[in-house]
Amino acid sequence: EAGVTQSPTHLIKTRGQQATLRCSPISGHTSVYWYQQALGLGLQFLLWYDEGEERNRGNFPPRFSGRQFPNYSSELNVNALELEDSALYLCASTPRTGETQYFGPGTRLLVL
Amino acid sequence: EDQVTQSPEALRLQEGESSSLNCSYTVSGLRGLFWYRQDPGKGPEFLFTLYSAGEEKEKERLKATLTKKESFLHITAPKPEDSATYLCAVQARSNYQLIWGAGTKLIIKP
Repeated sequence: EAGVTQSPTHLIKTRGQQATLRCSPISGHTSVYWYQQALGLGLQFLLWYDEGEERNRGNFPPRFSGRQFPNYSSELNVNALELEDSALYLCASTPRTGETQYFGPGTRLLVL
Repeated sequence: EDQVTQSPEALRLQEGESSSLNCSYTVSGLRGLFWYRQDPGKGPEFLFTLYSAGEEKEKERLKATLTKKESFLHITAPKPEDSATYLCAVQARSNYQLIWGAGTKLIIKP
């Protein structure tokens, strides 16, 4: 069974640009979570999508947004990129709300 | 306030030297406690879920235990390939968010 996939693996942008990150959950999983992990730091919760709806968001500015598509894949958009947005962005999926989260390999975003 | 604290921050062991990692938590009603392993630059890999005090789970050289205030990840006769950062997270009954600890970086020297 294929795991969570994320694309691209690496992304280099400059300040002020927009970044789009993509996530495909495990087949049959309907919930998708996004996390930011800055170098050497812990996981910071960004967004949670379930059945196409945004269920919760972490303490991040509105320039971090996303959506979940009918096939349960998800997209994270970061507008007006800042240097401190450089981080590993992780996506996780669960079969049902509240169950174990399974993570993808992440997208490494570098903002220059 | 719900909180997770992991200790130590880093642990260096010789190959074969058993030890334990600690995850202390405060949460208003525990739904579950999760252990993950993370290699540098990669996504966390799920290890265990524990739901109630007294529960134990094992996988190869790892054993996770849970009390009402903390969880331990015991590693027996570790090998260099066990080197990684081990993350602990708790989930409260009141919502479905995971509250993450900062992790313990484990280094096993051959």
